[in-house]
This record gives sequence, C-alpha cells and structure tokens, in this order.
Amino acid sequence: KNQVEQSPQSLIILEGKNCTLQCNYTVSPFSNLRWYKQDTGRGPVSLTIMTFSENTKSNGRYTATLDADTKQSSLHITASQLSDSASYICVVSLFGNEKLTFGTGTRLTIIP
Amino acid sequence: DAGVIQSPRHEVTEMGQEVTLRCKPISGHDYLFWYRQTMMRGLELLIYFNNNVPIDDSGMPEDRFSAKMPNASFSTLKIQPSEPRDSAVYFCASSFTLVETQYFGPGTRLLVL
Repeated sequence: KNQVEQSPQSLIILEGKNCTLQCNYTVSPFSNLRWYKQDTGRGPVSLTIMTFSENTKSNGRYTATLDADTKQSSLHITASQLSDSASYICVVSLFGNEKLTFGTGTRLTIIP
Repeated sequence: DAGVIQSPRHEVTEMGQEVTLRCKPISGHDYLFWYRQTMMRGLELLIYFNNNVPIDDSGMPEDRFSAKMPNASFSTLKIQPSEPRDSAVYFCASSFTLVETQYFGPGTRLLVL
C-alpha cells in the first residue's frame, strides 16, 4: 500500500533556530515529491517539487532533500521565523497516473 | 490573477440538506482538483478535472457527493443529502499540468449539524 509518513507530528523551536522535518514514503513507482506549507485557516502553498533525479532543492530558507533509493525526504528550515509556524505536508505522486498520496503533516510552532 | 476563488468561505447546515460548494480556478489552468481536509484523515483528493472533464473520481466518498465543471472557469461540489461526518474543510486547487504546482483556494469550512 502506498503510504507517506511524516515525523515528528509536532515540533516547537525557538525563533532563529534551524529544524529538519522528515518524510518517508513507500509510493512506487515514484514520480515526484512535494512539500507544502499550510498556515492555520488557509490553503496549502507549494514550497518545492522534486523529481526522482533531483536530490536537493531550495526555496529561500527552505531546503528539501530527496533520497529516492531509501525513499526519504527532509525539509530543512534555516533561521526560523515566527511566520514559519504552520503545518508542513509531504506529498508523493505515483509515476504514470500522478496519483497523490498525502502525509498527515508536521505541525511546527516557532516561539519568540 | 486573484488566485483560486472559493465560495462560500463558511457553511453551516443541517443534516439532510443539500450543500453546494463553488470554485473558480486560475485562468489558463487546465486542471482542477477538489480536496477534503479533516483532523483525522488529513488532506484527501476527491476528484480532479482536465479541460472540464472528470478524470479520477475514485476519492469521492459515496454517491451523495457529485462534482461538475460546466466550463473552464467554474466548478461545483455538491453533497446531497449532507451528513455530520461530511463536516470538513473543502479545498479547490488548480494547475497548468498534472505535475506542476497546484494552487489552492482558501477553502470552504463546512459544518453539518
């Protein structure tokens, strides 16, 4: 069964610190992996999309890595800001029909 | 562009009533997606359209749910009759292609009493 698991479920860090969120998946064959940021009460916003041939992609202070061999991805946030408080959702698509499998997300809270 | 527009933003209704959610995708996007999000199940894809044609509706929970896209700038998701377990946030998203970034609307928060 195709699954996407994220860890930790929730995380609290001090403003200015770095953090890393994890995503493990069993989706196969794999097409691409996406990270979304979802602020409370709003729709998800895309941060990165990576295909199997990419192993890192950055978007400002957000850097996603992908290891297609071990089926693992991480999202690293550098110098966190209060506005980074949100849920981060990992989404993996199936090669061929691009069917999406969603992780349940990591709830990140940045405290001053 | 104003982004994906959804209406209403909030809907409270009684069990058994018909509910219609509306979506206007970003102009030029060929794909439109309907999602449901709950605390228990997270984000789930219900159905998506390509050029106004439903492609995959395997995520639609049951016959009480139906979706239409009469033209490139409008789609509806209808629940009839509604049940309390349908309470959730319903998102509409659109994209140029199936593999590119999907842009989400603000969502409709539905509460069925």
